[in-house]
Parts: sequence; structure tokens; C-alpha cells
Amino acid sequence: DAGVIQSPRHEVTEMGQEVTLRCKPISGHDYLFWYRQTMMRGLELLIYFNNNVPIDDSGMPEDRFSAKMPNASFSTLKIQPSEPRDSAVYFCASLDRGRGVTEAFFGQGTRLTVV
Amino acid sequence: QKEVEQNSGPLSVPEGAIASLNCTYSDRGSQSFFWYRQYSGKSPELIMFIYSNGDKEDGRFTAQLNKASQYVSLLIRDSQPSDSATYLCAVLVWDSSYKLIFGSGTRLLVRP
Repeated sequence: DAGVIQSPRHEVTEMGQEVTLRCKPISGHDYLFWYRQTMMRGLELLIYFNNNVPIDDSGMPEDRFSAKMPNASFSTLKIQPSEPRDSAVYFCASLDRGRGVTEAFFGQGTRLTVV
Repeated sequence: QKEVEQNSGPLSVPEGAIASLNCTYSDRGSQSFFWYRQYSGKSPELIMFIYSNGDKEDGRFTAQLNKASQYVSLLIRDSQPSDSATYLCAVLVWDSSYKLIFGSGTRLLVRP
């Protein structure tokens, strides 16, 4: 497996524009997590899915953020409208809890800059 | 109170010394504990996991878990400059499903 794949790797957009971040988890993994990382706040959990179902979105900062997982191999995180304070690195990670204690594998991240 | 707390550092140690990184967590439903290493501009990568009280050793790394004190630590023996990175403590919490929560990380600097 190629690992967790995120796209794009870098995104520069203007304030007010819609941004969509994409994630392809490792095949067979039943959990998918979206995180945001900044110097000030570290790695924050935004939302996570179990078997494609959103479980907890309490970490989503505002209604401008939304996430979907239409099937086991694809998830999106959307910001509409984007603001400069959304600038951060966004990571997606997947985990296979069915195999017992195991690690979460991270994608390469998307570096978002909102100007 | 944050669910997973770490000292942000930086922790500076000379090459060859033992680096000790600490983490506390608040949720007693925490089941598994992980240490990730993150180099600047890269994604986190797993170093070790532990889920039973006591010590777990892997090469130069030892993870220690004390559930009564809600405390996890990572010891790095014979520290190398290549160990300089941010170390993230993560906790897998059961709350009707599993949730993986990270601390803010401790930056480690190993001086040659």
C-alpha cells in the first residue's frame, strides 16, 4: 500500500475562497482522523470517522469547516470561506483498530496558506 | 486542562547523553500510548507504543507507563544529533469509539 495520500501538498488561496483538502487512507483501515498543526496550538484533532461515519467533530473550529467521508477510500475537509487564520498544516491519519494496538499512519500533510 | 500535556521545551542535551521526555494525560479511559517523532516540515512517524504499566525497550528508546499517575515518558539513550526533532505524545482514548489525541510536543535538541 502507498500509505495515506493527501492532496494537494501545498495550497495558497485568497481569503474568502473555498478550499478542499483530500485524503485517501490506507486500505482496510477503519478510522480516519483530520488534524491541524500550528506552532501555537500543536496538533489539534478536528474530526474523526469510524467506518466512514463521523464520530466527533467537536474539534472543528467553526461552521466554515466541514468534512465528509463518502466511502472507505476517500475523505475531504472543506473550508468555506477561508480566512488567514486557517493557515496551517492539515494532516490526515488512518488507523486499523481491528488488529489490536497499532499505529496511526499519517499522510504528508497539506500546507495551507490563506492570504 | 488539555487532555495530553507535554513541556514544549526545547530540551537541550549533549551528544551521548540520555534525553528524558515526559507526558501526562487526563482521561482514565486512555488505553494505548504512543510516541511519535516529527522532523521539521515532515509528518509524524511512530517511534514506540506502550499499553501496559512498566517499561518497554526498543534499541536506544525506552517508553515508561504509569497508569496510576497518568504519566508516560520516553528515554533516549546515547542521544545523537539526528534525534533532534519534536516528540509528540499521543493517547488512544475509548469513548464509545476510539479517539487519538496528541500533546503539543517537546522539541529536543542534541548538541554535537
